[in-house]
Amino acid sequence: EDKVVQSPLSLVVHEGDTVTLNCSYEVTNFRSLLWYKQEKKAPTFLFMLTSSGIEKKSGRLSSILDKKELFSILNITATQTGDSAVYLCAVNAGNNRKLIWGLGTSLAVNP
Amino acid sequence: KAGVTQTPRYLIKTRGQQVTLSCSPISGHRSVSWYQQTPGQGLQFLFEYFSETQRNKGNFPGRFSGRQFSNSRSEMNVSTLELGDSALYLCASSFLQGVDSPLHFGNGTRLTVT
Repeated sequence: EDKVVQSPLSLVVHEGDTVTLNCSYEVTNFRSLLWYKQEKKAPTFLFMLTSSGIEKKSGRLSSILDKKELFSILNITATQTGDSAVYLCAVNAGNNRKLIWGLGTSLAVNP
Repeated sequence: KAGVTQTPRYLIKTRGQQVTLSCSPISGHRSVSWYQQTPGQGLQFLFEYFSETQRNKGNFPGRFSGRQFSNSRSEMNVSTLELGDSALYLCASSFLQGVDSPLHFGNGTRLTVT
């Protein structure tokens, strides 16, 4: 059965800390892995990764995929209170027909 | 460019009733997907519509149905509501059919069934 597991489930850090969120997966016919940020409402798209070893970067956020070991990490450097959110990982599996979602990592950044 | 719009934002219904949720996708997007989000199950896929046709369906009972109109707007209907249907219902749109392009989500409709 296809599955996506995120860890940790929750995390509390102080402003300025660096955090690493993990997403591991077991799916058939992997096509891509996506990261989303959800702040109580709509999940907003962060990154889509298809190739192993190529880092995607946007400001203080970056992500990389390891297709051999079947995982991805999302790094956030110099965290700010506005980074507090649930970070969701999803894998595009099968024939472009469905996303398999992890349960998310709840990040709280304290001032 | 306006984002995905979902109405209403909140709904309170009683068991046995039915409910209709509405979603207007981003202009130019022809694919609309619906998801149910609960704390224990996370995001669960309901169905996807593209060009007014249901293209893909998740593992939900037949009480959950949907449709898409010629302007790409979509509605989702849940009949004979159960307590377990209480959830955040998210709509997402994308330009292409399927999930090869990123989904753009609306703010959701929070449904509470009492």
